[in-house]
Amino acid sequence: DVKVTQSSRYLVKRTGEKVFLECVQDMDHENMFWYRQDPGLGLRLIYFSYDVKMKEKGDIPEGYSVSREKKERFSLILESASTNQTSMYLCASKGGGDDRVKGYTFGSGTRLTVV
Amino acid sequence: AQSVTQLDSQVPVFEEAPVELRCNYSSSVSVYLFWYVQYPNQGLQLLLKYLSGSTLVESINGFEAEFNKSQTSFHLRKPSVHISDTAEYFCAVSERDSSYKLIFGSGTRLLVRP
Repeated sequence: DVKVTQSSRYLVKRTGEKVFLECVQDMDHENMFWYRQDPGLGLRLIYFSYDVKMKEKGDIPEGYSVSREKKERFSLILESASTNQTSMYLCASKGGGDDRVKGYTFGSGTRLTVV
Repeated sequence: AQSVTQLDSQVPVFEEAPVELRCNYSSSVSVYLFWYVQYPNQGLQLLLKYLSGSTLVESINGFEAEFNKSQTSFHLRKPSVHISDTAEYFCAVSERDSSYKLIFGSGTRLLVRP
């Protein structure tokens, strides 16, 4: 089974800090995604990447950036954390070609609190 | 643009009762449809999906969903729920031609009471 690992389950950061959320997948998937999950709003796409060094904005990219230097790793960066970025962050990956219909595989999530 | 609507934010039900979680979608192109489940303090897991063929799809733990193209719906049902089914359920849609991007609904929290 594909495994998607997020490096931290819980993080507490101060306003203005630069925050890195790391995600690693082990099945050579082309596509990786970052979502944030908030009560009543479901999952909203922040950024996604369909190849190394390739990225596209999702629905709510403001205040975030991403990095994909290697195929297995997709990092979400909060350049200057703010309290409205307190949320659950979920990483996911998905294969291309025939694998694209198999759905996403999600990590366990990182609950970020910005104080 | 695609969108997914889950009208019920929370559905309380007694154990062994039937349940239906509603999902409606909007899209101008053909789509794939998914249901994901999130148990407390965990990530999302794929429950079932509709790609093509039979409009009724089933999961291994007794859930089923039916694709209704005319009503643009993909409701999730189970004839008899267990306490362990307590979780949040998300409906999602992706375009067939660019299916690497999923759009999620806002989720429905299923609360199963003894």
